[in-house]
Amino acid sequence: EDQVTQSPEALRLQEGESSSLNCSYTVSGLRGLFWYRQDPGKGPEFLFTLYSAGEEKEKERLKATLTKKESFLHITAPKPEDSATYLCAVPRDSGYSTLTFGKGTMLLVSP
Amino acid sequence: DSGVTQTPKHLITATGQRVTLRCSPRSGDLSVYWYQQSLDQGLQFLIHYYNGEERAKGNILERFSAQQFPDLHSELNLSSLELGDSALYFCASSASGGAWETQYFGPGTRLLVL
Repeated sequence: EDQVTQSPEALRLQEGESSSLNCSYTVSGLRGLFWYRQDPGKGPEFLFTLYSAGEEKEKERLKATLTKKESFLHITAPKPEDSATYLCAVPRDSGYSTLTFGKGTMLLVSP
Repeated sequence: DSGVTQTPKHLITATGQRVTLRCSPRSGDLSVYWYQQSLDQGLQFLIHYYNGEERAKGNILERFSAQQFPDLHSELNLSSLELGDSALYFCASSASGGAWETQYFGPGTRLLVL
Protein backbone atom coordinates (compact mmCIF):
# COMPACT_ATOMS: atom_id res chain seq x y z
CA GLU A 1 0.00 0.00 0.00
CA ASP A 2 1.22 3.46 -0.90
CA GLN A 3 2.41 5.52 2.03
CA VAL A 4 3.09 9.24 2.03
CA THR A 5 4.51 10.84 5.16
CA GLN A 6 5.12 14.54 5.60
CA SER A 7 7.24 16.23 8.22
CA PRO A 8 7.13 18.29 10.25
CA GLU A 9 3.39 18.42 10.92
CA ALA A 10 3.67 22.11 11.67
CA LEU A 11 6.41 24.69 11.20
CA ARG A 12 6.63 28.22 12.42
CA LEU A 13 9.14 30.56 10.77
CA GLN A 14 10.06 34.17 11.02
CA GLU A 15 9.80 36.17 7.83
CA GLY A 16 13.02 35.64 5.89
CA GLU A 17 13.95 32.43 7.74
CA SER A 18 14.49 29.72 5.13
CA SER A 19 13.59 26.08 5.77
CA SER A 20 12.56 22.81 4.13
CA LEU A 21 9.53 20.55 4.27
CA ASN A 22 9.87 16.82 3.75
CA CYS A 23 7.69 14.29 1.95
CA SER A 24 8.74 10.65 2.08
CA TYR A 25 6.93 7.94 0.16
CA THR A 26 6.84 4.22 -0.38
CA VAL A 27 5.39 3.36 -3.75
CA SER A 28 6.50 0.95 -6.43
CA GLY A 29 7.25 2.47 -9.80
CA LEU A 30 7.01 6.17 -9.01
CA ARG A 31 5.04 7.97 -11.71
CA GLY A 32 5.39 11.47 -10.35
CA LEU A 33 5.03 13.41 -7.16
CA PHE A 34 2.83 16.44 -6.73
CA TRP A 35 3.03 19.40 -4.38
CA TYR A 36 -0.05 21.46 -3.53
CA ARG A 37 -0.67 24.45 -1.33
CA GLN A 38 -3.91 24.69 0.63
CA ASP A 39 -5.23 27.75 2.42
CA PRO A 40 -7.76 27.20 5.26
CA GLY A 41 -11.17 26.23 3.93
CA LYS A 42 -10.01 26.37 0.30
CA GLY A 43 -9.22 23.76 -2.31
CA PRO A 44 -5.64 22.58 -2.86
CA GLU A 45 -3.75 24.70 -5.35
CA PHE A 46 -1.29 22.96 -7.64
CA LEU A 47 2.36 23.95 -7.27
CA PHE A 48 4.68 21.38 -8.87
CA THR A 49 4.94 17.98 -10.49
CA LEU A 50 8.23 16.09 -10.26
CA TYR A 51 8.59 13.07 -12.50
CA SER A 52 12.00 11.56 -11.77
CA ALA A 53 14.75 11.46 -9.17
CA GLY A 54 17.07 14.45 -9.48
CA GLU A 55 14.42 16.73 -10.91
CA GLU A 56 14.01 20.22 -9.44
CA LYS A 57 11.38 22.89 -10.02
CA GLU A 58 11.13 26.45 -8.77
CA LYS A 59 8.38 29.00 -8.35
CA GLU A 60 9.09 32.30 -6.63
CA ARG A 61 10.39 31.43 -3.15
CA LEU A 62 9.63 27.72 -3.48
CA LYS A 63 11.87 24.99 -4.85
CA ALA A 64 10.90 21.33 -5.00
CA THR A 65 13.38 18.48 -5.33
CA LEU A 66 12.93 14.73 -5.71
CA THR A 67 15.05 11.72 -4.77
CA LYS A 68 14.15 8.04 -5.05
CA LYS A 69 12.54 8.01 -1.62
CA GLU A 70 11.61 11.56 -0.72
CA SER A 71 10.92 15.07 -1.88
CA PHE A 72 11.77 18.38 -0.29
CA LEU A 73 10.02 21.70 -0.61
CA HIS A 74 12.55 24.40 0.14
CA ILE A 75 11.20 27.80 1.12
CA THR A 76 13.68 30.64 0.74
CA ALA A 77 13.16 33.91 2.62
CA PRO A 78 9.47 33.21 3.24
CA LYS A 79 6.86 35.91 3.60
CA PRO A 80 3.67 35.85 5.70
CA GLU A 81 1.65 35.17 2.54
CA ASP A 82 3.45 31.83 2.23
CA SER A 83 1.56 30.66 5.32
CA ALA A 84 -0.55 27.66 4.30
CA THR A 85 -0.65 23.89 4.49
CA TYR A 86 1.60 22.20 1.96
CA LEU A 87 0.50 18.81 0.72
CA CYS A 88 2.39 16.24 -1.29
CA ALA A 89 0.76 13.40 -3.19
CA VAL A 90 1.72 10.41 -5.32
CA PRO A 91 -0.36 8.48 -7.86
CA ARG A 92 -1.69 5.21 -6.48
CA ASP A 93 -0.43 1.89 -7.77
CA SER A 94 -3.74 1.38 -9.57
CA GLY A 95 -2.23 3.02 -12.64
CA TYR A 96 -4.80 5.76 -12.90
CA SER A 97 -4.38 9.25 -11.60
CA THR A 98 -5.84 8.66 -8.18
CA LEU A 99 -3.68 10.41 -5.66
CA THR A 100 -2.57 9.38 -2.19
CA PHE A 101 -1.97 12.51 -0.14
CA GLY A 102 0.19 13.07 2.88
CA LYS A 103 -1.40 14.82 5.85
CA GLY A 104 0.47 18.00 5.10
CA THR A 105 2.77 20.47 6.80
CA MET A 106 1.10 23.54 8.24
CA LEU A 107 3.44 26.49 7.74
CA LEU A 108 3.07 29.75 9.61
CA VAL A 109 5.34 32.65 8.71
CA SER A 110 5.36 35.49 11.19
CA PRO A 111 6.28 39.06 10.20
CA ASP B 1 -9.22 30.20 -9.84
CA SER B 2 -8.72 26.58 -10.99
CA GLY B 3 -11.72 26.56 -13.33
CA VAL B 4 -13.42 23.80 -11.34
CA THR B 5 -16.71 24.84 -9.77
CA GLN B 6 -18.59 23.23 -6.91
CA THR B 7 -21.98 23.89 -5.43
CA PRO B 8 -23.14 24.49 -2.82
CA LYS B 9 -20.32 26.05 -0.81
CA HIS B 10 -21.90 25.14 2.50
CA LEU B 11 -24.46 22.56 3.48
CA ILE B 12 -26.00 22.00 6.89
CA THR B 13 -28.28 19.02 7.35
CA ALA B 14 -29.43 16.48 9.90
CA THR B 15 -28.45 12.87 10.50
CA GLY B 16 -30.28 10.42 8.28
CA GLN B 17 -30.76 12.91 5.47
CA ARG B 18 -29.52 12.77 1.88
CA VAL B 19 -27.62 15.50 0.04
CA THR B 20 -26.21 16.01 -3.45
CA LEU B 21 -22.98 17.83 -4.17
CA ARG B 22 -22.31 19.11 -7.66
CA CYS B 23 -19.08 19.64 -9.58
CA SER B 24 -18.30 21.10 -12.99
CA PRO B 25 -14.82 20.27 -14.30
CA ARG B 26 -12.47 22.62 -16.12
CA SER B 27 -13.36 23.15 -19.74
CA GLY B 28 -12.04 20.23 -21.78
CA ASP B 29 -11.29 17.93 -18.84
CA LEU B 30 -12.86 14.48 -19.06
CA SER B 31 -11.92 13.14 -15.63
CA VAL B 32 -13.53 14.07 -12.34
CA TYR B 33 -12.35 12.95 -8.92
CA TRP B 34 -14.02 13.26 -5.54
CA TYR B 35 -12.12 13.63 -2.27
CA GLN B 36 -13.15 13.93 1.36
CA GLN B 37 -11.10 15.97 3.80
CA SER B 38 -11.56 15.71 7.53
CA LEU B 39 -9.30 16.96 10.29
CA ASP B 40 -8.15 13.52 11.40
CA GLN B 41 -7.99 11.71 8.05
CA GLY B 42 -6.58 14.32 5.72
CA LEU B 43 -7.49 14.28 2.04
CA GLN B 44 -8.96 10.90 1.07
CA PHE B 45 -9.75 9.79 -2.47
CA LEU B 46 -13.34 8.63 -2.95
CA ILE B 47 -14.02 7.95 -6.61
CA HIS B 48 -12.86 8.75 -10.16
CA TYR B 49 -15.00 9.11 -13.28
CA TYR B 50 -13.73 9.41 -16.81
CA ASN B 51 -16.07 10.53 -19.57
CA GLY B 52 -19.10 9.18 -17.78
CA GLU B 53 -17.63 5.88 -16.63
CA GLU B 54 -16.39 4.93 -13.19
CA ARG B 55 -12.63 4.32 -13.29
CA ALA B 56 -11.52 3.81 -9.71
CA LYS B 57 -12.91 3.65 -6.21
CA GLY B 58 -11.19 4.58 -3.03
CA ASN B 59 -12.48 4.78 0.50
CA ILE B 60 -16.06 5.46 -0.51
CA LEU B 61 -18.83 4.25 1.76
CA GLU B 62 -21.74 2.26 0.35
CA ARG B 63 -24.04 5.10 1.47
CA PHE B 64 -22.22 7.35 -1.01
CA SER B 65 -22.59 7.24 -4.76
CA ALA B 66 -21.54 9.37 -7.67
CA GLN B 67 -22.14 9.79 -11.35
CA GLN B 68 -20.82 11.81 -14.25
CA PHE B 69 -23.29 13.11 -16.79
CA PRO B 70 -22.95 13.52 -20.59
CA ASP B 71 -22.07 17.20 -20.14
CA LEU B 72 -19.24 15.96 -17.84
CA HIS B 73 -20.48 17.53 -14.66
CA SER B 74 -20.55 15.17 -11.71
CA GLU B 75 -22.70 14.70 -8.64
CA LEU B 76 -21.80 13.04 -5.35
CA ASN B 77 -24.79 11.71 -3.44
CA LEU B 78 -24.47 11.15 0.29
CA SER B 79 -27.32 9.33 2.03
CA SER B 80 -28.23 8.22 5.55
CA LEU B 81 -25.88 10.88 6.78
CA GLU B 82 -24.02 10.45 10.05
CA LEU B 83 -22.22 12.96 12.23
CA GLY B 84 -18.90 11.57 11.03
CA ASP B 85 -19.69 12.53 7.44
CA SER B 86 -19.13 16.16 8.33
CA ALA B 87 -16.15 17.21 6.25
CA LEU B 88 -14.96 19.21 3.28
CA TYR B 89 -15.72 17.52 -0.02
CA PHE B 90 -13.58 18.45 -2.99
CA CYS B 91 -13.81 17.60 -6.59
CA ALA B 92 -10.88 17.80 -8.95
CA SER B 93 -10.54 17.41 -12.68
CA SER B 94 -7.84 16.46 -15.14
CA ALA B 95 -7.62 16.14 -18.89
CA SER B 96 -7.94 12.37 -19.31
CA GLY B 97 -6.99 10.60 -16.08
CA GLY B 98 -3.46 9.39 -16.62
CA ALA B 99 -1.22 8.87 -13.59
CA TRP B 100 1.05 11.74 -14.63
CA GLU B 101 -1.67 14.37 -14.98
CA THR B 102 -2.16 17.31 -12.70
CA GLN B 103 -5.48 17.41 -10.89
CA TYR B 104 -7.05 20.82 -10.41
CA PHE B 105 -9.25 21.19 -7.36
CA GLY B 106 -12.45 23.08 -6.85
CA PRO B 107 -13.21 25.30 -3.85
CA GLY B 108 -15.02 22.52 -2.01
CA THR B 109 -18.33 21.98 -0.27
CA ARG B 110 -18.33 22.13 3.50
CA LEU B 111 -20.86 19.65 4.89
CA LEU B 112 -22.03 19.84 8.46
CA VAL B 113 -24.26 17.05 9.75
CA LEU B 114 -26.07 17.88 12.98
